[in-house]
Amino acid sequence: GENVEQHPSTLSVQEGDSAVIKCTYSDSASNYFPWYKQELGKRPQLIIDIRSNVGEKKDQRIAVTLNKTAKHFSLHITETQPEDSAVYFCAAVPYGGSQGNLIFGKGTKLSVKP
Amino acid sequence: KAGVTQTPRYLIKTRGQQVTLSCSPISGHRSVSWYQQTPGQGLQFLFEYFSETQRNKGNFPGRFSGRQFSNSRSEMNVSTLELGDSALYLCASSLEHRTEAFFGQGTRLTVV
Repeated sequence: GENVEQHPSTLSVQEGDSAVIKCTYSDSASNYFPWYKQELGKRPQLIIDIRSNVGEKKDQRIAVTLNKTAKHFSLHITETQPEDSAVYFCAAVPYGGSQGNLIFGKGTKLSVKP
Repeated sequence: KAGVTQTPRYLIKTRGQQVTLSCSPISGHRSVSWYQQTPGQGLQFLFEYFSETQRNKGNFPGRFSGRQFSNSRSEMNVSTLELGDSALYLCASSLEHRTEAFFGQGTRLTVV
């Protein structure tokens, strides 16, 4: 089945710097890759997603890139702010699955220091 | 509109007992999924229901089961609880299988 690896597990940056989180997946048939942000004590919330027919997607300070050949995708956050501090999860929908069948990476704890 | 609602929010059970968790999806959403979140394993997919049918199942033992009712509300049951079942159980709902999944606040289960 699908397996998603996520790196790094922790990331500390200065406010204003950029942050990059990388994920690899094993199932070449996976076709949907969302990113969720989970603040302490709160529910995961979708921040951006990308489908396999697109190489890059951007939403203000957040962007996601997908390399289907290498089976990896990355989250880029520019001009980080203290409120970006949270745990970020990447996920993939395996072949035959749906948005309700997400296989998650183990998360990256991002700390943005003021 | 109201979000995904999970009850109860917190639960303490003893080893060997069984537990039932409830999830009310966003109105109109027909897909409900369940995930287990632990510090060591992260978020792990348990199962997904759509129109009262289990559509996908994760790699969990048969002690974990679920069901979905005609109004799309879902329950999951864990029998013969083990200490390792202590976790945050999250429910997510989506309108259709190709739309965004919205998570509930979760039920924090502690097995003692």
